[in-house]
Amino acid sequence: DTAVSQTPKYLVTQMGNDKSIKCEQNLGHDTMYWYKQDSKKFLKIMFSYNNKELIINETVPNRFSPKSPDKAHLNLHINSLELGDSAVYFCASSQIDTFFGQGTRLTVV
Amino acid sequence: DAKTTQPPSMDCAEGRAANLPCNHSTISGNEYVYWYRQIHSQGPQYIIHGLKNNETNEMASLIITEDRKSSTLILPHATLRDTAVYYCIVRTEYGNKLVFGAGTILRVKS
Repeated sequence: DTAVSQTPKYLVTQMGNDKSIKCEQNLGHDTMYWYKQDSKKFLKIMFSYNNKELIINETVPNRFSPKSPDKAHLNLHINSLELGDSAVYFCASSQIDTFFGQGTRLTVV
Repeated sequence: DAKTTQPPSMDCAEGRAANLPCNHSTISGNEYVYWYRQIHSQGPQYIIHGLKNNETNEMASLIITEDRKSSTLILPHATLRDTAVYYCIVRTEYGNKLVFGAGTILRVKS
């Protein structure tokens, strides 16, 4: 059983398109996150949700909009994709310890 | 959250103990030391965490100095599959984010 699962694993798309990445956790955790890992390999938090409420927005462009339909899901919508959005995006959830998904490698061409 | 300092890279022979150091001199009383690792192309994986006592689980041991300003993660018998980037992170136990530094690249060699 995968604790934190995100889809798709790979996403290649053209500039200007709108895309979504889905995330689900079956751990019963209250808090979910999106992290971004760029080409320099630094992992940075983007958003944090607690029980469907936004807790952290780390100065992310408003082209990125997280949506949490329930506390087990946190999806990431990205509008008007740019070349600089190319990165690996990780979903995570936590109660005390944090568990990460396997990542979605987004390539914008 | 307090900052941490780790060496950029380390090598370890297969079968030997890998000792990964971390400095966190500005840690405050309610902050824990967490260790995660990221194997190439995978999501970060939780290893262990502790407050002031030494901790051990099936993956590793965590030794925290008495003044809590530094700690060491010990992988007792490193294997090739332990090659990864290891991150030392300080935060409160119910903190709502992990702040990752550059970590230590551990290369286990046969």
